[in-house]
Amino acid sequence: QKEVEQDPGPLSVPEGAIVSLNCTYSNSAFQYFMWYRQYSRKGPELLMYTYSSGNKEDGRFTAQVDKSSKYISLFIRDSQPSDSATYLCAMIASGGGADGLTFGKGTHLIIQP
Amino acid sequence: DVKVTQSSRYLVKRTGEKVFLECVQDMDHENMFWYRQDPGLGLRLIYFSYDVKMKEKGDIPEGYSVSREKKERFSLILESASTNQTSMYLCASSRRTDTQYFGPGTRLTVL
Repeated sequence: QKEVEQDPGPLSVPEGAIVSLNCTYSNSAFQYFMWYRQYSRKGPELLMYTYSSGNKEDGRFTAQVDKSSKYISLFIRDSQPSDSATYLCAMIASGGGADGLTFGKGTHLIIQP
Repeated sequence: DVKVTQSSRYLVKRTGEKVFLECVQDMDHENMFWYRQDPGLGLRLIYFSYDVKMKEKGDIPEGYSVSREKKERFSLILESASTNQTSMYLCASSRRTDTQYFGPGTRLTVL
């Protein structure tokens, strides 16, 4: 069963705050986890890609995966107005398949200057 | 860098017209996908292809068809456009079991 839950927001925070974006999932077969950022009227762009439990850091962004709780997070430090976008989580089961990723519906993030 | 391009950014068509949306990727990816994205509904998979001339239905294939004659090109066809097909259409590509890379999207309006 494909099911990924993501709060649609909007989530509005002041510039400089730490942002936490989250997804939960029910399928324990999911092994690979991604975060995409989508600006208005543009295609999603890959932001982070992880395949194990724990943390992965890239600049101001940290992706966290907790497979035991079926919970993934994306943290943004020192948030900037340019981070305002919709953030989609996505995941794929081990070994497959061509039918692609399972996406959350996205969280709309607004960073207030 | 992976590059996925779509033939049009904005398209306006009339009800009943046949519409072609083209997608090209330059990374020799095996898999290609067509999604539509609507407010509150997220990304919904229309069709995907895992090889040349191969295609599989996604979650919402009704009213659409696809063509993949070459590995780098994947076309979405609306045989007879309807107003409920007004949407943002996104193409993506990937290696066999890897993450997907998206094109910029085509915003289609059917009047």
